[in-house]
Amino acid sequence: EAQVTQNPRYLITVTGKKLTVTCSQNMNHEYMSWYRQDPGLGLRQIYYSMNVEVTDKGDVPEGYKVSRKEKRNFPLILESPSPNQTSLYFCASSKTGTGVGNQPQHFGDGTRLSIL
Amino acid sequence: AQSVAQPEDQVNVAEGNPLTVKCTYSVSGNPYLFWYVQYPNRGLQFLLKYITGDNLVKGSYGFEAEFNKSQTSFHLKKPSALVSDSALYFCAVRDGDTGNQFYFGTGTSLTVIP
Repeated sequence: EAQVTQNPRYLITVTGKKLTVTCSQNMNHEYMSWYRQDPGLGLRQIYYSMNVEVTDKGDVPEGYKVSRKEKRNFPLILESPSPNQTSLYFCASSKTGTGVGNQPQHFGDGTRLSIL
Repeated sequence: AQSVAQPEDQVNVAEGNPLTVKCTYSVSGNPYLFWYVQYPNRGLQFLLKYITGDNLVKGSYGFEAEFNKSQTSFHLKKPSALVSDSALYFCAVRDGDTGNQFYFGTGTSLTVIP
C-alpha cells in the first residue's frame, strides 16, 4: 500500500530535549516536505526536499533541521524544542520532474507534539 | 508574495443542497492549484487539482472546482452535499514558475446538516 509513515504519532516532551520525528515513504517520490498545522493558520511549510541531499527552507524553518540522506526518509529534527513548537506536524511526498509540477502530495497521518 | 485565502472559516449547508467552499490565490507565475480534505485525526487527502485550460475540474467523491483567472479564484463545489462530506477543506497553491514551495489556506470547516 502506498503510504507516508510518520513516527511517533504523539509525543509529550520538555523544553530543550532534542527530538526527531521520522518520515518514510514507499512511493519512490523525489519531493518530500514537512508542515505544521496550527489553528487559524492552516498548514505552513517548514522544509522541503527536491531529492536526496537537496533541502530548502519553507516559510517557518526556524528551530528545525532536516536531512535527506536516502530517498525514502526525511526526518524532522528539533535540536532544542520550545513550547511555541507545540503543534501538529505533517510529512508529505510527491513526484517531481519535467511535466509533473502539479503532482499532488501524499500526506502522513500526522504527529502531535507537545513541548512543556 | 505567494498566498492563498479561504475567506470562510465555517460553511454550513443542508444535506442535498449544493455547496461551495471559496479560495482565492496570489502567485506571480502560473498557478498549480489543489484542494485537500482532512478528516479528524488524519492527514490531508487529495481531492482535485487545476489542469491548465480547464475552467471546471472534476475530482474525487463528486467534487469539482471552478477556476477563474480574472478573479484568481479556485472555488470548490459539489452539486448535492452529503453528511459524510463534513470535514476540513484546504486550498493550496504552488507557483509553477518561481519555486517549489506550497502555500495552504487556513482551512474551511464544512458541516453538512442532515
